[in-house]
This record gives sequence, C-alpha cells and structure tokens, in this order.
Amino acid sequence: NAGVTQTPKFRVLKTGQSMTLLCAQDMNHEYMYWYRQDPGMGLRLIHYSVGEGTTAKGEVPDGYNVSRLKKQNFLLGLESAAPSQTSVYFCASSYAGQGNTEAFFGQGTRLTVV
Amino acid sequence: GDSVTQMEGPVTLSEEAFLTINCTYTATGYPSLFWYVQYPGEGLQLLLKATKADDKGSNKGFEATYRKETTSFHLEKGSVQVSDSAVYFCALSDYGGATNKLIFGTGTLLAVQP
Repeated sequence: NAGVTQTPKFRVLKTGQSMTLLCAQDMNHEYMYWYRQDPGMGLRLIHYSVGEGTTAKGEVPDGYNVSRLKKQNFLLGLESAAPSQTSVYFCASSYAGQGNTEAFFGQGTRLTVV
Repeated sequence: GDSVTQMEGPVTLSEEAFLTINCTYTATGYPSLFWYVQYPGEGLQLLLKATKADDKGSNKGFEATYRKETTSFHLEKGSVQVSDSAVYFCALSDYGGATNKLIFGTGTLLAVQP
C-alpha cells in the first residue's frame, strides 16, 4: 500500500547544479501537486497537474519545471539550484473533485543547496 | 486572494489538557476547509474536513466546525495525549475549481508533555 512515494528523501546540491525529484502515486489519482515547506510559511504550491500531459504554475513556480508524461508520475526539476531553494519538498495527489477531496502526501524530500 | 491564518506556536500542553488551535480564513466563494497533521519525519495526512457552513468535521477525538459568519475553523480536542504531538495545518480548497489546490496556514506545533 505505497500511496505517494518521493525519491530521493535527502539531497545536498551545490549552487548551479541541477536535479530532478520524482513523485510516484499508485492510487490512479488525476491530480498531482508539488509544494515546498519553509519555516514560518507553511506549504506553498509550486506547480500542479490535473492530468497526464498537463501542468500549470502555482504560487511559487520560478526556478522550477515539471513534467507529467505518465499519469502516475510527476517530476520536479531544478535546472540551476540556488540557496533559496533549500527547503522540504512535498508531492501530493488527489482525485478530481469540487475542491473537497483529500490530498495524499509523500514523506518529503529535504533539499539543501550550498 | 484566498488566505488562511492560524495561531502561532509552539503550543505546549500537559497530557489530558484541552486543546484549541485557532484558524481563520479569507476566501471568495465557498471553500472546503481542512485540518492536516504532520507527525515528525512524515508527510501531511488529513485529520478532518468540512465542506459547507455549519458542518462539523471530526476524527480521533479532534473536532472543528465551519463557521461562515466568523470565517473560522478552530481545531479542538478535549483531552490531548503525548501521541498528538505534531504540527497542525489549517487549509482551504477552492470551491468548484477544477484543481483542488490547497492554501495552507503556517502550521502550529503542538507539544504534549506527560
């Protein structure tokens, strides 16, 4: 009963390096999201997807790109990492609905950019 | 835009004490309201939700009532346990939007001492 799985769980990057965070869900959810969690700021939406092949910007999209080539996977890319992107990243997924459906979260990826 | 404001923590209580965590919101339309909980080292999980005015969500002894007149969704529990120690997030979701995007408060850390 995996739910939402994020890879990797921890990563340290040097400024300017690139990386991709992988999110996989096995619940056949239509919607997927990437959030970042920073102290004193709660969770903020980076990008989201309402279906395979579609993505859209959230509240804080700058510096990130995403892709959803398969329904079960949602990738978050950092092309040139900056210290301001040090954060904990959470992926979530949910069924389509009228704003009242539960979101299921992964365990998070702790990223440090030095 | 829509927003959620919740009381700052940390909140430190003794076991069996009464808990209240305040949450107020600003939104256009009729959002659904949620409380998510994050245990140490884990992702967020849904604690309870309410989808319309005067609805009461409840789970694991926690309760919250959707108060449209005061735009509030305060979390309460009559007798907390050490195992309730976690970060609690209030959130809203856009009603009728085809995205289920969540807007989170900043989170409140609850520490329950034996």
